[in-house]
Amino acid sequence: DTEVTQTPKHLVMGMTNKKSLKCEQHMGHRAMYWYKQKAKKPPELMFVYSYEKLSINESVPSRFSPECPNSSLLNLHLHALQPEDSALYLCASSPTGVTYNEQFFGPGTRLTVL
Amino acid sequence: SQQGEEDPQALSIQEGENATMNCSYKTSINNLQWYRQNSGRGLVHLILIRSNEREKHSGRLRVTLDTSKKSSSLLITASRAADTASYFCATAVSGNTPLVFGKGTRLSVIA
Repeated sequence: DTEVTQTPKHLVMGMTNKKSLKCEQHMGHRAMYWYKQKAKKPPELMFVYSYEKLSINESVPSRFSPECPNSSLLNLHLHALQPEDSALYLCASSPTGVTYNEQFFGPGTRLTVL
Repeated sequence: SQQGEEDPQALSIQEGENATMNCSYKTSINNLQWYRQNSGRGLVHLILIRSNEREKHSGRLRVTLDTSKKSSSLLITASRAADTASYFCATAVSGNTPLVFGKGTRLSVIA
């Protein structure tokens, strides 16, 4: 299996909802990433997990809460989001714990916050 | 910021023509990577070139790196409509710092 999967593909949520995004890879990769991407902009890094431990948090608001239950799975828990949080959320993984390897991206979750 | 800056921001060419896009950055790097993104989809890694390499090829792709000028170029030869996408360069400094993506070049290949 050489792909990163993300669910759901689309998510619409209200500002008071709690939802979660899920990312999975079975390539044995040891680093996993969450990115946020607005239209016509580059991806912005949110979090990096290396060997299942949070290694980088790019000063992301606490309404975004990452979780790495095991080496194959990465979640992003969402609570009390704002309309400006609407974006494409991308998950990625890379083979080792270092961040300068090539990264393998999932197809993304298109999030709309009403 | 070491963020890469792609040039041009947008490029429109006819099928069969070559497409060249450039990336400039500000600090010393470990490697530079190019990614492609089709509209609203995930990014696909195209090629990685290390700081001690000057040129790499992969199929119709040719990447050059000039560390003295802190710049890289991506050449797509004999372009196809399927090459229509956004192309991002990303610079890597060390194993503990994130990749930093440039703003991207939007390529349109017209059949």
